[in-house]
Amino acid sequence: QVHLVQSGAEVKKPGASARVSCKASGYTFTSYGISWVRQTPGQGLEWMGWISGYNGKTDYAEKFQGRVTMTAVTSTTTAYMELGSLRSDDTGIYFCARDGWTTVTKNDYWGQGTLVTVSS
Amino acid sequence: EVVLTQSPATLSLSPGDRATLSCRASHSVGTFLVWYQQRPGQAPRLLIYETSKRATGIPDRFSGSGSGTDFTLTINSLEPEDFAVYFCQQHSNWPSFGAGTKVEIK
Repeated sequence: QVHLVQSGAEVKKPGASARVSCKASGYTFTSYGISWVRQTPGQGLEWMGWISGYNGKTDYAEKFQGRVTMTAVTSTTTAYMELGSLRSDDTGIYFCARDGWTTVTKNDYWGQGTLVTVSS
Repeated sequence: EVVLTQSPATLSLSPGDRATLSCRASHSVGTFLVWYQQRPGQAPRLLIYETSKRATGIPDRFSGSGSGTDFTLTINSLEPEDFAVYFCQQHSNWPSFGAGTKVEIK
């Protein structure tokens, strides 16, 4: 069965970076992509971007361009999302979700979510 | 950017009732519309994709319809586990989500 297991909660200071991992199992990692979605009190659900598990191609939401980096390591079937220059309104739950091979389609499996708290 | 507007914000119904949830897009998204259910403390769960296709394991009391800018999620005969928040998402353009409709017990 498909599982996406994310890393644990993080507490960061404003201006720092947060890195969340997403370990995938139960399917062929290179045949799908991974989307990252966050849920914050102020903005609700927001799509942050997508990465191909096949070739590492990325598409980032304009809002996060320049601040987010997504990577995928096929040898360990793990995807990573790093968000820099953190602000207090970045506090929220960050989810990874399985997505289409070549583009965003539907998120049929989700990680459990990682709480990122930004506080001085 | 495509803005999705969901209505109503809250729907108060009883088990066995039919729920009708609306999602309106600011620009046409064709049929690239997805519905998710989210229970408290859980990740979203895929219900419907491409407007009307039920995801694996989703009961047939859930159905989706629409095209272009107006979409509907219908839940026939609400079960206790259906009381949750429902989000629509489009992926015609850069993906975006609606603010959600909470289906609560009346």
